[in-house]
Amino acid sequence: AQSVAQPEDQVNVAEGNPLTVKCTYSVSGNPYLFWYVQYPNRGLQFLLKYITGDNLVKGSYGFEAEFNKSQTSFHLKKPSALVSDSALYFCAVASNDYKLSFGAGTTVTVRA
Amino acid sequence: EAQVTQNPRYLITVTGKKLTVTCSQNMNHEYMSWYRQDPGLGLRQIYYSMNVEVTDKGDVPEGYKVSRKEKRNFPLILESPSPNQTSLYFCASSLWDNSYEQYFGPGTRLTVT
Repeated sequence: AQSVAQPEDQVNVAEGNPLTVKCTYSVSGNPYLFWYVQYPNRGLQFLLKYITGDNLVKGSYGFEAEFNKSQTSFHLKKPSALVSDSALYFCAVASNDYKLSFGAGTTVTVRA
Repeated sequence: EAQVTQNPRYLITVTGKKLTVTCSQNMNHEYMSWYRQDPGLGLRQIYYSMNVEVTDKGDVPEGYKVSRKEKRNFPLILESPSPNQTSLYFCASSLWDNSYEQYFGPGTRLTVT
């Protein structure tokens, strides 16, 4: 069975400060890792993915994430947060069984 | 415009009254899936479909049915809804090229009283 843990329910940062949203995973075989974002009253939007290759992947809106195999982590980062980054963020993992498993989500609040 | 559409967006119903939530995509995607979103639990997969006439259970399939008669449509059927099925439901689709980059519909908020 595969699973994702997002240890923080909420992350609060000031605008302009670095933003990190944590994610750890458990999966058999090679992991496919993803971050999605959900704005209020909207469906999820894809941010970025790691399938293979460089451990640092870049995605939409200035976000990036680092794959760390030894720590089974895939933390989402943004060097300088914006108020408009306030949203609900989901980490997800998949393997070769065509199933995508999501974490419980982390609410990010960026204060002006 | 490439999109996933769901109908209805909001639905209030009573226990035991059969309902269907429709999902349609216009991107010729092979893969489609239904999720429910509950506070503190994130998204949990209900059913998914790899292609026409191919469906499989996700993590929480009890109380739900699906069908995939056409590539673009993937309706979710609740034969006898119960209050524990009150949730926010999302349909998603993707190409099956190992990308797993799914496109989500706007969601259907279902309340079962």
